[in-house]
Amino acid sequence: NAGVTQTPKFRVLKTGQSMTLLCAQDMNHEYMYWYRQDPGMGLRLIHYSVGEGTTAKGEVPDGYNVSRLKKQNFLLGLESAAPSQTSVYFCASSYSMVLYNEQFFGPGTRLTVL
Amino acid sequence: GQQVMQIPQYQHVQEGEDFTTYCNSSTTLSNIQWYKQRPGGHPVFLIQLVKSGEVKKQKRLTFQFGEAKKNSSLHITATQTTDVGTYFCAGPYNQGGKLIFGQGTELSVKP
Repeated sequence: NAGVTQTPKFRVLKTGQSMTLLCAQDMNHEYMYWYRQDPGMGLRLIHYSVGEGTTAKGEVPDGYNVSRLKKQNFLLGLESAAPSQTSVYFCASSYSMVLYNEQFFGPGTRLTVL
Repeated sequence: GQQVMQIPQYQHVQEGEDFTTYCNSSTTLSNIQWYKQRPGGHPVFLIQLVKSGEVKKQKRLTFQFGEAKKNSSLHITATQTTDVGTYFCAGPYNQGGKLIFGQGTELSVKP
């Protein structure tokens, strides 16, 4: 099992460009999450999904959109990238959202917006 | 809003010394999780604590959940270079399933 995979691993964008980050999991998890990680700020939740066809806003959703058309995939989109979106993006999934809800993380995507 | 604070932000130790990181929540938590992130890597789940006053051990790592379920600690005995990384605590956000992460404690170990 590959667990949680993310593509691409690295990306450089110019301000105003758009892109989509892809997350895939093969653990049949219902719940998936997108985080961004910035120095000294830990992991902040952008959006999450509690099942196929559902999405919800997290702590820092502005400037991002997501879609969960298939249970195994969770896409994060940036419609018009800004330098403030330079960050490392992690996708995660979990079997549950209540007790014993450990999250499994992907390897991350390092995004630079110039 | 709900906050999870971790201290210290950085800790530099000599190999063989002990290390402790502390996690404090502004609200009572139903449970707390700990994750480790190696340099350049991704967070990896270590443990979950559920009960008030719970103590769990994993080899040289000891995890505690406070009696009031608002704080937690991770203690590493006799650090090794393999312990290098950032340790995060995380608690459920507004008692729901989403997690709110502390800022992390970055541990460096000098051989």
